Amino acid sequence: EAGVTQSPTHLIKTRGQQATLRCSPISGHTSVYWYQQALGLGLQFLLWYDEGEERNRGNFPPRFSGRQFPNYSSELNVNALELEDSALYLCASSPMRTSGWYTDTQYFGPGTRLTVL
Amino acid sequence: SQQGEEDPQALSIQEGENATMNCSYKTSINNLQWYRQNSGRGLVHLILIRSNEREKHSGRLRVTLDTSKKSSSLLITASRAADTASYFCASANFGNEKLTFGTGTRLTIIP
Repeated sequence: EAGVTQSPTHLIKTRGQQATLRCSPISGHTSVYWYQQALGLGLQFLLWYDEGEERNRGNFPPRFSGRQFPNYSSELNVNALELEDSALYLCASSPMRTSGWYTDTQYFGPGTRLTVL
Repeated sequence: SQQGEEDPQALSIQEGENATMNCSYKTSINNLQWYRQNSGRGLVHLILIRSNEREKHSGRLRVTLDTSKKSSSLLITASRAADTASYFCASANFGNEKLTFGTGTRLTIIP
C-alpha cells in the first residue's frame, strides 16, 4: 500500500510569490490534514479537508488556503509569501470516520520544505 | 500556540538503556498519540492511548496516561541507535477534531 505522497520535496520562492504544495493521501483515506513545522515552533495545525470540504482551520491568515479534489488529493496554497513562511509543510491522511472521531491515527507524508528568500 | 509540552526537550542515553519522555496537555482529550520524526521528515505514528485507558504497550514502547494530571509518558526500553529521532505527543481534543502537537523531545542514542 502506497503511503502519503507530497510534491515537490523542496520549493524555493521569493517574498511576495505564491507557493502551491500537493498531497496525495493513502488510497481509501478521505481526510487530509496540513501542518506547518517551522524551526523552533513545533507542528502547527493548518487545515483539515474531508470529502472535499474544509472542516477545520488553524490560526493562520487567509493567505493560507487549500482545496481537496474529488480523488481526495489536496493542494495547499500560500499567497504573498513572507520570510517566516519558510518551514516544512506536512500532509497527513486518515481513513473514513468509523468510530465517531476523526482524530485517530494520522499517516504523514515526507513533507515539502519551503524556503522563502 | 502549542498545547502540549514535552519534557525533556533533549535526551541522550547509551544504547541499551531505557528512555522516558513526558508530555503534558491542557484540555480534556479523546485520545493521546505519540509520533516519531527522523531528521526533519515525515512523522510515523507509534501508539494511541484513549482517555479511558491508563497504560498501553507496543513492542518496546510503553505509554501511560494520567488524565487527572493531564500528562502522559512514553518509555522506550532497551534503546537502539535507530531510536534516535524526535518524539512528539499529540492530543485529540473533544469538540475540536484536530491533533495538537507538543514541542517534541529530541532523543539521541549513543552507540
